[in-house]
Parts: sequence; structure tokens; C-alpha cells
Amino acid sequence: DAEITQSPRHKITETGRQVTLACHQTWNHNNMFWYRQDLGHGLRLIHYSYGVQDTNKGEVSDGYSVSRSNTEDLPLTLESAASSQTSVYFCASSPGPNQPQHFGDGTRLSIL
Amino acid sequence: LAKTTQPISMDSYEGQEVNITCSHNNIATNDYITWYQQFPSQGPRFIIQGYKTKVTNEVASLFIPADRKSSTLSLPRVSLSDTAVYYCLVGDRINNAGNMLTFGGGTRLMVKP
Repeated sequence: DAEITQSPRHKITETGRQVTLACHQTWNHNNMFWYRQDLGHGLRLIHYSYGVQDTNKGEVSDGYSVSRSNTEDLPLTLESAASSQTSVYFCASSPGPNQPQHFGDGTRLSIL
Repeated sequence: LAKTTQPISMDSYEGQEVNITCSHNNIATNDYITWYQQFPSQGPRFIIQGYKTKVTNEVASLFIPADRKSSTLSLPRVSLSDTAVYYCLVGDRINNAGNMLTFGGGTRLMVKP
């Protein structure tokens, strides 16, 4: 069955370190999204991509970057991790405009 | 932002119908309205999507008035397993008005026996 997987599921790191969270989907979906979820804020969009070589900033993109070199993967990089980036991160994909998104099970990131 | 507003929490009892309303005043012409369910330690899961009037599937109904500035998710005869957080999402990209899509804070539904 097609799926979307995130790795790692849990990570602890120190401030100032570079961190990369992986997202891999096997649906061949064009659209991919990264969200962070914090108490009291629901899900907030970090970056999104509509296809290979396409990336766009979301609501809370500062301190994060993404790259889309193929259809299946959209890694999220924290260039210099900050404690304010401690959160649960969700990746999602969808086949096209206004289609429902399929979510991964999240990565819990703690920055000490 | 294409901001949505939902009640923070709701309580219900098994067997009752639950209606959760989402307000989205700046919805754009091309935006669809999508509802998701989220259990602890899991990603959100798609429930239902609509553009206008009424949509029904095997688990829920979605009511959208003519002005499309709100929508109501209806869960018939809830059970304990429907205890979860419910989110509405408007659109899936920057819409015609330049508004960024965003989930609201969600509605925490507690179903009691």
C-alpha cells in the first residue's frame, strides 16, 4: 500500500545544530507540505511544494528550508536549531489542487 | 491568512449527533473546505471535503451555506472512539486573495459514555 513516512519519529538535539527531518511518500503525489504543531496553535504551515524543484514559504518559514529533488521526498532542514523550534512536525502530501492531504505520523523534535 | 475559527472544545454522549462549526470569513472562490480528525500521537486523517451545499459520506456530513463563510461538520451517533481533535482547513495553497492556507486550532471533542 502507498504511504507517507517520516523519520526519525523522535529526535533530541542541541541549539545551533543543523537538523534534517525526512519525509517520503509513495503515492507519487505532486504536492507536499510541512507543518509544525504546538499546543494552542494547531497546525501551522512551514513550507510546501507543488512539484520537483518547486518550494514555497508557509506561515512560519523562518529558520527552516526544504528542497524537492524528486517526487517522493521533501526533507525539512533546520539550519541552526533553536529552542523555539521544539515541536511536533508533520509532513503531508496530496495529488493536486484542493485534494485531501495524507499525513505522516509526525516527528517529535526536542531542542535543548 | 485564510484563518479559520472553531470552538476549542465540545462534550457529547455516545449515540448523540455532534455538530462542529468552522468560521472562514475570507474564503476564496476556488477554496474547498476539508475536515480532518486527529488522535493523539498520530497525523490528521481526512474525514470529508466539500465546496458548497451538503456532502455526505459513510462517516460524516458537511453542510456549507450559500455564502460559504462557515461550514458544519456533522457526526451522527458518536461513539467513544470519536473522541479526537477535529480541524477544518480552507484551501490548500495561497488563494486568489493572497491568503495562506492554515489550520485553525481545532475542536477537541470528548465523547462520554
